[in-house]
Amino acid sequence: DGGITQSPKYLFRKEGQNVTLSCEQNLNHDAMYWYRQDPGQGLRLIYYSQIVNDFQKGDIAEGYSVSREKKESFPLTVTSAQKNPTAFYLCASSVNTGELFFGEGSRLTVL
Amino acid sequence: SQQGEEDPQALSIQEGENATMNCSYKTSINNLQWYRQNSGRGLVHLILIRSNEREKHSGRLRVTLDTSKKSSSLLITASRAADTASYFCATERNTGGFKTIFGAGTRLFVKA
Repeated sequence: DGGITQSPKYLFRKEGQNVTLSCEQNLNHDAMYWYRQDPGQGLRLIYYSQIVNDFQKGDIAEGYSVSREKKESFPLTVTSAQKNPTAFYLCASSVNTGELFFGEGSRLTVL
Repeated sequence: SQQGEEDPQALSIQEGENATMNCSYKTSINNLQWYRQNSGRGLVHLILIRSNEREKHSGRLRVTLDTSKKSSSLLITASRAADTASYFCATERNTGGFKTIFGAGTRLFVKA
């Protein structure tokens, strides 16, 4: 079945460590997105990419990095520069405009 | 920054009642979308309304859009306990790249 797969579902990180969250889609979508969600809050855009080898910063890009080397993949690295990384991370894709298709999310906890 | 703001933040109703959620936004948009999120899960797309449309229906959902007031509403008729979830509006802007921005959401609880 087509969809978006995020892994891992749960991740624990020690302070000072970088971690990478995986996002893979087989929907043949051009655009992909990373959002962060804090408890009881809405989604805030971290990075988005509309085409392979190109991506733009969202509203809260500081402390995060991404790459888009393949159409299917848009990994997010949470670096040690991100001061408060504990959150629920959601990846999405779309056919450039319109409906977003979401993965099931990755919950990152800093110990 | 959040483009959309939902109102109310939380809503509790009895099964069978209608639920209305509102969304206001700040800048011009290409379209407005509503999503649903069950606790701890990803978001699921419900309905999209374009800036030149005023009303749209999908099953028990009715969405309206008033671009002059920069607002939208989502009506769920004859609610069910399974409708319990958070509902988010999202607006798409063309800012040199298409960006979809979400509001803080309305938490709906439907009592059986």
